[in-house]
Amino acid sequence: QQPVQSPQAVILREGEDAVINCSSSKALYSVHWYRQKHGEAPVFLMILLKGGEQKGHDKISASFNEKKQQSSLYLTASQLSYSGTYFCGTEDTGRRALTFGSGTRLQVQP
Amino acid sequence: KAGVTQTPRYLIKTRGQQVTLSCSPISGHRSVSWYQQTPGQGLQFLFEYFSETQRNKGNFPGRFSGRQFSNSRSEMNVSTLELGDSALYLCASSFGLQGRGYGYTFGSGTRLTVV
Repeated sequence: QQPVQSPQAVILREGEDAVINCSSSKALYSVHWYRQKHGEAPVFLMILLKGGEQKGHDKISASFNEKKQQSSLYLTASQLSYSGTYFCGTEDTGRRALTFGSGTRLQVQP
Repeated sequence: KAGVTQTPRYLIKTRGQQVTLSCSPISGHRSVSWYQQTPGQGLQFLFEYFSETQRNKGNFPGRFSGRQFSNSRSEMNVSTLELGDSALYLCASSFGLQGRGYGYTFGSGTRLTVV
């Protein structure tokens, strides 16, 4: 079953912050985050494993709430290069395939 | 190091035909997964291969099949093409199953158009 992402789309000005959420109805083992720019392949950002950790990658970080089966991606002080569609991918504890959400389209304007 | 290579980049086929897509993973990666991407459905999982064995399969009809060779290269085949099969087919390789630990590296995809 596909994880649910919100919001579906967001428009930011450079320097503003954004949060993208991903939730699942299943018990999760891991959550992945990817960014896809138009006409390009999705690019891996980070993976969070069961255990409720938080990770950071420059000004992009993410958290994973194991109890709520939710993950959030935080983009701070957004840059034009952050524009693209962000996908979360979830692996449930049944160790089945990585299932992706429908994506969040993020546009950063000057 | 070389990335994930998918060939061909573009394909136009007629309904009823069959097609074979190829994926060469990153050297050392043993897992290859295939996804279908369409504007309406997003990224839909097709199947995952690890060490030449299919480990997981998505909810696609039997017309969609795949295989993996001893050098980890993978192919997927779609028989009796339908208009609805038009999509971007993405291959992703990883060191472990489901991209554990290091995530997936995606190829640029094969854009299939069925007319």
